[in-house]
Amino acid sequence: AQSVTQPDIHITVSEGASLELRCNYSYGATPYLFWYVQSPGQGLQLLLKYFSGDTLVQGIKGFEAEFKRSQSSFNLRKPSVHWSDAAEYFCAVGEMDDYKLSFGAGTTVTVRA
Amino acid sequence: GAVVSQHPSWVICKSGTSVKIECRSLDFQATTMFWYRQFPKQSLMLMATSNEGSKATYEQGVEKDKFLINHASLTLSTLTVTSAHPEDSSFYICSARHGTGDEKLFFGSGTQLSVL
Repeated sequence: AQSVTQPDIHITVSEGASLELRCNYSYGATPYLFWYVQSPGQGLQLLLKYFSGDTLVQGIKGFEAEFKRSQSSFNLRKPSVHWSDAAEYFCAVGEMDDYKLSFGAGTTVTVRA
Repeated sequence: GAVVSQHPSWVICKSGTSVKIECRSLDFQATTMFWYRQFPKQSLMLMATSNEGSKATYEQGVEKDKFLINHASLTLSTLTVTSAHPEDSSFYICSARHGTGDEKLFFGSGTQLSVL
């Protein structure tokens, strides 16, 4: 069975500082990996995804993530955080055959001025 | 990107009543839609997969008689919480599978259900 672990429940970062959110997955085959962002009371927006190929994936809003098979990780990074990045971030793993995703518990990001 | 509309955004109901939540794909046809449930400070848990014209497939532990799913057209899936109780209070989110394009899955904005 597939599963996702996001070790950090809450991260506080200063505006302009760098951000890294951790994600570890458990999956029997080559995983399809996703990062979503959720603002309060809203649905999920896809930041980026990894299917195959280049292990460093660029996404929207200046985010990137790196797939490391040896570590079963797919960490999300942003070099310089903006106040608007304060939100809940979810890592997910799935199979493209059926699009059923398993989500991590999420990481809440707070941005301080 | 494609748009998925979910209605209502929030609903408050009395215990024992039924609540219907709609999920519509506005500019594409979705043969498959998914329903998730999210408790506060927790992740999204897949409840069921809804395929147009057929019965929904429920995840283990989800009561199909409690959470009725209907996918009568390629643009609409509904989730009905029957005889709602306070423990059913949660945030429900749908997603729809897009058949073409680079991004395949789109999420609705969610429905906050509060059962008194």
